[in-house]
Amino acid sequence: AQSVTQLDSQVPVFEEAPVELRCNYSSSVSVYLFWYVQYPNQGLQLLLKYLSGSTLVESINGFEAEFNKSQTSFHLRKPSVHISDTAEYFCAVSEGSQGNLIFGKGTKLSVKP
Amino acid sequence: DTAVSQTPKYLVTQMGNDKSIKCEQNLGHDTMYWYKQDSKKFLKIMFSYNNKELIINETVPNRFSPKSPDKAHLNLHINSLELGDSAVYFCASSQWNSYEQYFGPGTRLTVT
Repeated sequence: AQSVTQLDSQVPVFEEAPVELRCNYSSSVSVYLFWYVQYPNQGLQLLLKYLSGSTLVESINGFEAEFNKSQTSFHLRKPSVHISDTAEYFCAVSEGSQGNLIFGKGTKLSVKP
Repeated sequence: DTAVSQTPKYLVTQMGNDKSIKCEQNLGHDTMYWYKQDSKKFLKIMFSYNNKELIINETVPNRFSPKSPDKAHLNLHINSLELGDSAVYFCASSQWNSYEQYFGPGTRLTVT
């Protein structure tokens, strides 16, 4: 069975510092990988996705994630965070055509001034 | 222009009651989902519907029943509510094989 592990439940950082949110997955078949963001009291928004092609994917607000098949990882990074990046970040994996998403337990990113 | 909407946003009810949560999407998608997010923020798939046909049912108690009157709607009915049903329930939609799901704002259910 597939699973997703987000190694850090909470990551506190100062504004303008770099950040990495870690995600590892287990699957024996080809997977599709996603990062979703949940701002306080809101629903989930897709941040970025890896389906195929280039292993480095970027979002419009400066986040990037790299698919590493050998390490079964899909870590999320941003070189300089803002206060507005404070949110819960979920890594998810989908396999096959049914589109069923398996989520990690989330990482709470807290950006302090 | 809300893409995926849910009603109500908050629902407080007593144990043993029956309640429904509604979901509508205006994206023209053919697949819709229900997820449960528990108090620890853990998200888990409950159901998905493709072209009005249930295709996933993840060991959810049969007190929960999804109903899809058409492709744009997937409602969640819950019978005999229990304290453990308290959670945030998210509806989502996607186009079959697109893998990209769009989520609603969530319904916070509190059972007292």
